[in-house]
Amino acid sequence: DAGVIQSPRHEVTEMGQEVTLRCKPISGHDYLFWYRQTMMRGLELLIYFNNNVPIDDSGMPEDRFSAKMPNASFSTLKIQPSEPRDSAVYFCASSRPGQGKYEQYFGPGTRLTVT
Amino acid sequence: GQQVMQIPQYQHVQEGEDFTTYCNSSTTLSNIQWYKQRPGGHPVFLIQLVKSGEVKKQKRLTFQFGEAKKNSSLHITATQTTDVGTYFCAGWASNDYKLSFGAGTTVTVRA
Repeated sequence: DAGVIQSPRHEVTEMGQEVTLRCKPISGHDYLFWYRQTMMRGLELLIYFNNNVPIDDSGMPEDRFSAKMPNASFSTLKIQPSEPRDSAVYFCASSRPGQGKYEQYFGPGTRLTVT
Repeated sequence: GQQVMQIPQYQHVQEGEDFTTYCNSSTTLSNIQWYKQRPGGHPVFLIQLVKSGEVKKQKRLTFQFGEAKKNSSLHITATQTTDVGTYFCAGWASNDYKLSFGAGTTVTVRA
């Protein structure tokens, strides 16, 4: 299996621009999570989906952030407009809870820099 | 809301020595997981603990879940340079599969 795939791996953009991060979960996984990691705040859960439906978006910082999962093999996290404080590593993770196993598989992450 | 605290934040270890990192939750956990993130990498699942008082071993790593299911520990014996990285505990209190991550313990090893 290829694991969780994220693109782009690195993104540098100017303040005010729209940024779209992409994620392909592991085939067969029905849970998808978006995290943000910074030195100051650590690893934060932004939103998660179950069977393509958003379940909890309480971690989404503000209305500038939105996430979609149009099908089981694709999800996007969009920031519009981007701000320097959005600079972070964004991880996507997927999971298939069942049979007592609940581990999450993380993608390589997208390092976002907003100047 | 649920909070998972982890100490120490940093651990500098002489190669060959042992160390322990601790994880404490403000609420009773259904499940606790440990992940390792190498520098520049992504979190990788190590192990899951579910039962009260559970102890699991992976080679030189020993994981323990407290009797009250509110704390956990990771003990590494005979530290090696390959142990370098940040170790996170993560838990969830209900069956919503929403993990709360601790801040992590970043381990450096002196050869």
